[in-house]
Amino acid sequence: QVQLVESGGGVVQPGRSLRLTCAASGFTFSSYPMHWVRQAPGKGLEWVALISHDGNKEYYADSVKGRFTISRDNSKNTLFLQMNSLKPEDTAVYYCARGNGFGYRGYGWGDYWGQGTLVTVSS
Amino acid sequence: DIQMTQSPSSLSASVGDRVTITCRASQSINTYLNWYQQRPGKAPKLLIYDASSLQSGVPSRFSGSGSGTDFTLTVSSLQPEDFATYYCQQGYTTPGFGQGTKLEIK
Repeated sequence: QVQLVESGGGVVQPGRSLRLTCAASGFTFSSYPMHWVRQAPGKGLEWVALISHDGNKEYYADSVKGRFTISRDNSKNTLFLQMNSLKPEDTAVYYCARGNGFGYRGYGWGDYWGQGTLVTVSS
Repeated sequence: DIQMTQSPSSLSASVGDRVTITCRASQSINTYLNWYQQRPGKAPKLLIYDASSLQSGVPSRFSGSGSGTDFTLTVSSLQPEDFATYYCQQGYTTPGFGQGTKLEIK
């Protein structure tokens, strides 16, 4: 069965960096694009970033562009989100999601999601 | 950017009711519209993709329709486990979500 497990969240001071990891299992990881989506406490969902199946294409929300970097290691079935210059408004639960439909149905959808990891940016 | 607007923002209904949630895009998005359910403290779950395709394992009481700018999610007969928050998401450009519709028990 498809399983996605996020890790790496925690409390970090404004301006510092954090790297999130998403460990994937139960499917051929290298065949699927992957998303990061976040949810601030008590708020709605906000898409953060998307990476193609081979890692050659990356897309970002304007709110994180230039600060966050999505990457993947297909040999280790792992997705990453490097977050630099963190701001208090980046405080959220961060979910990784397996992408589907990307490239033939626009940017597609997330068909399986992890349980999320909480990032708190506070001094 | 394409803006996604859901209505209503909240809705009270009873078990067995038929409910409809609407999602409107600020420009045409073809049928690149997806629906998710999120229960409190849980990850989102895909219900409908490409406006009307039911995700595997999702009960048939859920259905989606629409194209262009106007879309609907319908639950034909509410079950206790359906009380949750629902989000639409456009995939026409880099993804964006609606603000959510909270479905509560009356």
